[in-house]
Amino acid sequence: EAQVTQNPRYLITVTGKKLTVTCSQNMNHEYMSWYRQDPGLGLRQIYYSMNVEVTDKGDVPEGYKVSRKEKRNFPLILESPSPNQTSLYFCASSLSGEGINQPQHFGDGTRLSIL
Amino acid sequence: KNEVEQSPQNLTAQEGEFITINCSYSVGISALHWLQQHPGGGIVSLFMLSSGKKKHGRLIATINIQEKHSSLHITASHPRDSAVYICAGSGNNNDMRFGAGTRLTVKP
Repeated sequence: EAQVTQNPRYLITVTGKKLTVTCSQNMNHEYMSWYRQDPGLGLRQIYYSMNVEVTDKGDVPEGYKVSRKEKRNFPLILESPSPNQTSLYFCASSLSGEGINQPQHFGDGTRLSIL
Repeated sequence: KNEVEQSPQNLTAQEGEFITINCSYSVGISALHWLQQHPGGGIVSLFMLSSGKKKHGRLIATINIQEKHSSLHITASHPRDSAVYICAGSGNNNDMRFGAGTRLTVKP
């Protein structure tokens, strides 16, 4: 089954404790992206990747890191999480690396709470 | 200034009504996506448009490139259509810009 898998689905942690949210897709998609969703602010793009070893900042990259060492995986790293990173996070992928004018497939979301 | 503006913010309809959600976008956006998010949070891509019109079941999406405007229509609405509908623009830089979403409630 074609899917985007995020882990964990839920996490409560404390300020400053490094964490990684994994994202994996099994569709051989070139484009992958991370978004956060906050009440009143909607969805905002954090980072995206056009292909392996190619990553770019979205609207709200501060406090986050990403890597794209393999086509299928695009982990989101919070080196020193802070309470303002409490949010619902989505990973998504789409087929083309030449432009994202392709439908996006979303993961189920990761709800992060930073205390 | 948000590059994707969506209206209305909230919409309540009776079952069977025809529904329209509108989206305006700015220069630099080359394709428009319509997404659906049900309570519980999962997001599904409904349509991606760069021109014309697309139809899937009771859902129709249109885009007018000259006016930079897109609409999502739902015919014969049903309570299971209740969700948040989000339009998003993909830009020439391959980034994504999102509208604030329209919360649709369809009452039986």
